Amino acid sequence: TQLLEQSPQFLSIQEGENLTVYCNSSSVFSSLQWYRQEPGEGPVLLVTVVTGGEVKKLKRLTFQFGDARKDSSLHITAAQPGDTGLYLCAGGNNAGKSTFGDGTTLTVKP
Amino acid sequence: NAGVTQTPKFQVLKTGQSMTLQCAQDMNHEYMSWYRQDPGMGLRLIHYSVGAGITDQGEVPNGYNVSRSTTEDFPLRLLSAAPSQTSVYFCATRDRVNQPQHFGDGTRLSIL
Repeated sequence: TQLLEQSPQFLSIQEGENLTVYCNSSSVFSSLQWYRQEPGEGPVLLVTVVTGGEVKKLKRLTFQFGDARKDSSLHITAAQPGDTGLYLCAGGNNAGKSTFGDGTTLTVKP
Repeated sequence: NAGVTQTPKFQVLKTGQSMTLQCAQDMNHEYMSWYRQDPGMGLRLIHYSVGAGITDQGEVPNGYNVSRSTTEDFPLRLLSAAPSQTSVYFCATRDRVNQPQHFGDGTRLSIL
């Protein structure tokens, strides 16, 4: 079974601060996705990374896939209250299965 | 374009009852999956399908059955509901391996 560990589990910061969320595994994934989930809704895709060492930017969000494709990070610059939510990473394999981390609950206070 | 439609949105069952959670998609995606999400946790894979007629078990398959007779539909059956199955259930689809998943809005299930 492939496991993904996310840290921290909870994060509460002030508006304008920077933060990084980590997603780590001992397994190699063929792809990794980051999702954001709001209460009462399903997860919504933020980004997919597939190449070791890949860096993708989405406005104030920067995603990195580790060189060995076992870990990933999500960095948010100048966080805003609208960034509040549950952030989930998910690793995929070539058989079509995805493994999710337990998520990071982010609260950004105005 | 409806995407992924899950029904019902809410359901309360008594222990021992059976029911079927419905999932329908209109994107012609081959891959479909069922997950459960418990409070404060991520999603755990129950069953998944890589195409019509093909299903396989995920991490937590016990107590659940699935079938995939068409590309569009992937129902999840609870055979004899138990309080431990109280959770939010999400259906997801993807076009190909390593493509991102599209999620429904979930079914909130309570077993008394």
